[in-house]
Amino acid sequence: DMKVTQMPRYLIKRMGENVLLECGQDMSHETMYWYRQDPGLGLQLIYISYDVDSNSEGDIPKGYRVSRKKREHFSLILDSAKTNQTSVYFCASSLTGGWTEQFFGPGTRLTVL
Amino acid sequence: QQKVQQSPESLIVPEGAMTSLNCTFSDSASQYFAWYRQHSGKAPKALMSIFSNGEKEEGRFTIHLNKASLHFSLHIRDSQPSDSALYLCAAASSGSWQLIFGSGTQLTVMP
Repeated sequence: DMKVTQMPRYLIKRMGENVLLECGQDMSHETMYWYRQDPGLGLQLIYISYDVDSNSEGDIPKGYRVSRKKREHFSLILDSAKTNQTSVYFCASSLTGGWTEQFFGPGTRLTVL
Repeated sequence: QQKVQQSPESLIVPEGAMTSLNCTFSDSASQYFAWYRQHSGKAPKALMSIFSNGEKEEGRFTIHLNKASLHFSLHIRDSQPSDSALYLCAAASSGSWQLIFGSGTQLTVMP
Protein backbone atom coordinates (compact mmCIF):
# COMPACT_ATOMS: atom_id res chain seq x y z
CA ASP A 1 0.00 0.00 0.00
CA MET A 2 1.82 3.11 -1.28
CA LYS A 3 1.59 5.80 1.31
CA VAL A 4 3.07 9.04 2.62
CA THR A 5 2.44 9.64 6.31
CA GLN A 6 2.81 12.79 8.36
CA MET A 7 2.93 13.32 12.11
CA PRO A 8 1.42 15.09 13.88
CA ARG A 9 -1.71 16.02 11.94
CA TYR A 10 -2.48 19.05 14.09
CA LEU A 11 -0.11 21.09 16.23
CA ILE A 12 -0.42 24.25 18.29
CA LYS A 13 2.77 25.95 19.47
CA ARG A 14 3.70 29.25 21.05
CA MET A 15 5.97 31.74 19.32
CA GLY A 16 9.59 30.90 20.03
CA GLU A 17 9.04 27.17 20.59
CA ASN A 18 10.75 24.58 18.42
CA VAL A 19 8.67 22.49 16.04
CA LEU A 20 9.38 19.09 14.50
CA LEU A 21 7.24 17.78 11.66
CA GLU A 22 7.87 14.23 10.50
CA CYS A 23 7.19 12.50 7.21
CA GLY A 24 7.54 8.90 6.11
CA GLN A 25 7.06 7.02 2.86
CA ASP A 26 6.99 3.31 2.09
CA MET A 27 7.67 3.48 -1.66
CA SER A 28 11.50 3.72 -1.57
CA HIS A 29 11.22 7.03 -3.41
CA GLU A 30 14.49 8.92 -3.88
CA THR A 31 13.09 12.41 -3.75
CA MET A 32 11.07 14.02 -0.96
CA TYR A 33 9.67 17.51 -0.54
CA TRP A 34 8.27 19.86 2.07
CA TYR A 35 5.65 22.41 0.97
CA ARG A 36 3.48 24.87 2.78
CA GLN A 37 0.03 25.85 1.59
CA ASP A 38 -1.62 29.14 2.41
CA PRO A 39 -4.95 30.43 1.04
CA GLY A 40 -4.49 32.01 -2.39
CA LEU A 41 -0.81 31.04 -2.65
CA GLY A 42 -0.90 27.46 -3.80
CA LEU A 43 1.91 25.12 -2.78
CA GLN A 44 5.25 26.75 -1.99
CA LEU A 45 8.36 24.57 -1.89
CA ILE A 46 10.41 24.87 1.29
CA TYR A 47 13.02 22.14 0.77
CA ILE A 48 13.69 19.27 -1.60
CA SER A 49 15.74 16.20 -0.75
CA TYR A 50 17.23 14.12 -3.55
CA ASP A 51 18.35 11.32 -1.20
CA VAL A 52 19.87 10.79 2.25
CA ASP A 53 21.82 13.90 3.33
CA SER A 54 21.29 15.54 -0.10
CA ASN A 55 19.00 18.49 0.51
CA SER A 56 18.42 21.72 -1.40
CA GLU A 57 16.55 24.90 -0.61
CA GLY A 58 13.28 25.60 -2.32
CA ASP A 59 11.63 28.98 -2.75
CA ILE A 60 10.99 29.80 0.92
CA PRO A 61 13.64 28.10 3.10
CA LYS A 62 14.15 30.94 5.59
CA GLY A 63 13.21 29.90 9.12
CA TYR A 64 13.22 26.18 8.28
CA ARG A 65 15.72 23.34 8.19
CA VAL A 66 15.41 19.70 7.24
CA SER A 67 16.96 16.36 8.03
CA ARG A 68 17.01 13.16 6.01
CA LYS A 69 19.05 10.35 7.56
CA LYS A 70 17.04 7.47 6.10
CA ARG A 71 15.56 7.33 2.59
CA GLU A 72 12.03 6.74 3.93
CA HIS A 73 12.03 9.55 6.47
CA PHE A 74 12.21 13.36 6.06
CA SER A 75 11.86 15.89 8.87
CA LEU A 76 11.08 19.61 8.85
CA ILE A 77 12.32 21.65 11.80
CA LEU A 78 11.29 25.14 12.79
CA ASP A 79 13.73 26.63 15.29
CA SER A 80 11.94 29.29 17.32
CA ALA A 81 8.61 29.30 15.48
CA LYS A 82 7.05 32.53 14.33
CA THR A 83 3.37 33.42 13.95
CA ASN A 84 3.79 33.81 10.18
CA GLN A 85 4.73 30.13 10.00
CA THR A 86 1.13 29.22 10.79
CA SER A 87 0.12 27.14 7.77
CA VAL A 88 -0.67 23.70 6.44
CA TYR A 89 2.50 21.75 5.70
CA PHE A 90 2.57 18.96 3.13
CA CYS A 91 5.26 16.39 2.61
CA ALA A 92 5.53 14.65 -0.76
CA SER A 93 7.69 12.04 -2.42
CA SER A 94 8.45 11.01 -5.99
CA LEU A 95 10.32 8.11 -7.53
CA THR A 96 13.01 10.41 -8.92
CA GLY A 97 13.42 14.16 -9.24
CA GLY A 98 10.63 16.52 -10.19
CA TRP A 99 9.29 15.33 -13.56
CA THR A 100 7.41 12.41 -12.10
CA GLU A 101 4.21 12.15 -10.09
CA GLN A 102 4.48 13.49 -6.57
CA PHE A 103 2.60 11.62 -3.83
CA PHE A 104 1.45 13.84 -0.99
CA GLY A 105 0.89 13.13 2.66
CA PRO A 106 -2.30 14.21 4.47
CA GLY A 107 -0.75 17.44 5.79
CA THR A 108 0.00 18.96 9.18
CA ARG A 109 -1.98 22.00 10.28
CA LEU A 110 0.40 24.10 12.39
CA THR A 111 -0.78 27.06 14.44
CA VAL A 112 1.80 29.31 16.08
CA LEU A 113 0.31 31.58 18.73
CA GLN B 1 12.20 32.31 -12.15
CA GLN B 2 9.22 30.35 -13.44
CA LYS B 3 5.84 31.91 -12.64
CA VAL B 4 2.61 29.96 -12.99
CA GLN B 5 -0.78 31.66 -12.95
CA GLN B 6 -4.25 30.14 -12.99
CA SER B 7 -7.62 31.43 -14.04
CA PRO B 8 -10.31 31.73 -12.97
CA GLU B 9 -9.80 31.75 -9.19
CA SER B 10 -13.16 30.09 -8.71
CA LEU B 11 -15.80 28.55 -10.93
CA ILE B 12 -19.30 27.22 -10.43
CA VAL B 13 -20.79 24.94 -13.09
CA PRO B 14 -23.90 22.74 -13.29
CA GLU B 15 -23.64 18.97 -13.26
CA GLY B 16 -23.02 17.62 -16.76
CA ALA B 17 -21.28 20.76 -18.03
CA MET B 18 -17.89 20.99 -19.74
CA THR B 19 -15.42 22.73 -17.43
CA SER B 20 -12.27 24.50 -18.64
CA LEU B 21 -9.44 25.53 -16.33
CA ASN B 22 -6.52 27.64 -17.53
CA CYS B 23 -2.87 27.97 -16.65
CA THR B 24 -0.11 30.21 -18.02
CA PHE B 25 3.61 29.87 -17.40
CA SER B 26 6.49 32.26 -17.91
CA ASP B 27 9.47 30.07 -18.89
CA SER B 28 9.34 29.18 -22.58
CA ALA B 29 11.88 26.38 -21.93
CA SER B 30 9.44 24.53 -19.64
CA GLN B 31 9.38 20.80 -20.27
CA TYR B 32 6.82 19.22 -17.95
CA PHE B 33 3.28 20.22 -17.08
CA ALA B 34 0.86 18.69 -14.61
CA TRP B 35 -2.53 19.07 -12.98
CA TYR B 36 -3.27 18.12 -9.38
CA ARG B 37 -6.64 17.95 -7.64
CA GLN B 38 -7.21 18.61 -3.95
CA HIS B 39 -10.51 17.86 -2.26
CA SER B 40 -11.31 19.95 0.79
CA GLY B 41 -9.14 18.98 3.77
CA LYS B 42 -7.27 16.35 1.77
CA ALA B 43 -3.87 15.97 0.14
CA PRO B 44 -3.25 17.08 -3.46
CA LYS B 45 -3.34 14.17 -5.87
CA ALA B 46 -1.90 14.02 -9.38
CA LEU B 47 -4.47 13.99 -12.18
CA MET B 48 -2.55 14.16 -15.44
CA SER B 49 0.72 15.34 -16.90
CA ILE B 50 2.07 16.16 -20.36
CA PHE B 51 5.49 16.78 -21.89
CA SER B 52 4.91 17.81 -25.50
CA ASN B 53 2.57 20.09 -27.40
CA GLY B 54 -0.89 18.86 -28.17
CA GLU B 55 -3.51 17.14 -26.11
CA LYS B 56 -3.83 14.11 -23.91
CA GLU B 57 -7.09 12.49 -22.86
CA GLU B 58 -7.78 10.22 -19.91
CA GLY B 59 -11.44 9.41 -19.35
CA ARG B 60 -13.39 12.64 -18.82
CA PHE B 61 -10.21 14.72 -18.48
CA THR B 62 -8.19 16.32 -21.30
CA ILE B 63 -5.01 18.41 -21.13
CA HIS B 64 -4.18 20.88 -23.89
CA LEU B 65 -0.66 22.30 -24.12
CA ASN B 66 0.48 25.16 -26.34
CA LYS B 67 4.10 26.02 -25.55
CA ALA B 68 4.21 28.89 -28.05
CA SER B 69 1.45 30.72 -26.21
CA LEU B 70 2.80 29.65 -22.78
CA HIS B 71 -0.59 28.13 -21.96
CA PHE B 72 -2.03 24.81 -20.89
CA SER B 73 -5.50 23.87 -19.81
CA LEU B 74 -7.57 21.11 -18.24
CA HIS B 75 -11.00 20.25 -19.61
CA ILE B 76 -13.48 18.13 -17.70
CA ARG B 77 -16.28 16.60 -19.72
CA ASP B 78 -19.64 15.81 -18.02
CA SER B 79 -18.60 17.45 -14.75
CA GLN B 80 -19.79 15.69 -11.58
CA PRO B 81 -20.35 16.98 -8.02
CA SER B 82 -17.46 14.73 -6.97
CA ASP B 83 -15.20 16.86 -9.22
CA SER B 84 -15.69 19.79 -6.82
CA ALA B 85 -12.20 20.54 -5.55
CA LEU B 86 -9.21 22.87 -5.77
CA TYR B 87 -7.34 22.30 -9.05
CA LEU B 88 -3.62 23.12 -9.08
CA CYS B 89 -1.55 23.37 -12.23
CA ALA B 90 2.24 23.07 -12.18
CA ALA B 91 5.14 23.49 -14.58
CA ALA B 92 8.83 22.60 -14.45
CA SER B 93 11.64 24.32 -16.30
CA SER B 94 14.29 22.48 -18.29
CA GLY B 95 17.04 23.37 -15.84
CA SER B 96 15.21 22.45 -12.67
CA TRP B 97 13.59 19.45 -11.04
CA GLN B 98 11.31 21.78 -9.14
CA LEU B 99 7.61 21.93 -9.94
CA ILE B 100 6.16 25.43 -9.62
CA PHE B 101 2.49 25.41 -8.66
CA GLY B 102 -0.18 27.94 -9.46
CA SER B 103 -2.46 29.28 -6.74
CA GLY B 104 -5.38 27.10 -7.80
CA THR B 105 -8.91 27.24 -9.19
CA GLN B 106 -11.71 26.32 -6.79
CA LEU B 107 -14.30 24.35 -8.80
CA THR B 108 -17.83 23.74 -7.55
CA VAL B 109 -20.15 21.47 -9.53
CA MET B 110 -23.78 21.99 -8.58
CA PRO B 111 -26.12 18.96 -8.68
